[in-house]
Amino acid sequence: GENVEQHPSTLSVQEGDSAVIKCTYSDSASNYFPWYKQELGKRPQLIIDIRSNVGEKKDQRIAVTLNKTAKHFSLHITETQPEDSAVYFCAASNGREKLTFGTGTRLTIIP
Amino acid sequence: AAGVIQSPRHLIKEKRETATLKCYPIPRHDTVYWYQQGPGQDPQFLISFYEKMQSDKGSIPDRFSAQQFSDYHSELNMSSLELGDSALYFCASSFDRGGGYTFGSGTRLTVV
Repeated sequence: GENVEQHPSTLSVQEGDSAVIKCTYSDSASNYFPWYKQELGKRPQLIIDIRSNVGEKKDQRIAVTLNKTAKHFSLHITETQPEDSAVYFCAASNGREKLTFGTGTRLTIIP
Repeated sequence: AAGVIQSPRHLIKEKRETATLKCYPIPRHDTVYWYQQGPGQDPQFLISFYEKMQSDKGSIPDRFSAQQFSDYHSELNMSSLELGDSALYFCASSFDRGGGYTFGSGTRLTVV
């Protein structure tokens, strides 16, 4: 089955700086890669996703890049703000089955 | 817009009791997924249903069972509860298993 690794497990950045979180996946059949933001006790909220037919997607301060050959994808948050502090999960799916999640990154934005 | 509805939001049960969690997917979504998330952990896949049939099974204990009904809502039945079952249980739904999963607000189960 699919295995998703996520790094780093914790990340602290100064407000206004950029944050990068990286994930690798094992199943070459995976073709859907969402990123979720989760605040304590709340549901995972989809913040951006990418499918395997594109290499990069951007939505305002958030971008995701995908390297299918290397089987890795990354989340980039620019101009970070205190409200970006949360746990972020990457995930992978072949688009027809369950999501397999990474182990999460606790992002802390230092004012 | 309608979202995925889960009930109850909170549930406290004693060891060896049973619990039933309910999930109402987004209208026209035909696939439901159940996840268990322990404290500080990533969501772990339990089971999924597509068009009312079980489509995939993950790390779901034999003490748990689930089904999807004709109106596409799903129920997760948990018996002989153990302290380790205390977790957040999320339901997600999608259309035709094509990604675009939407999560419900979750049920926080506490076993005492």
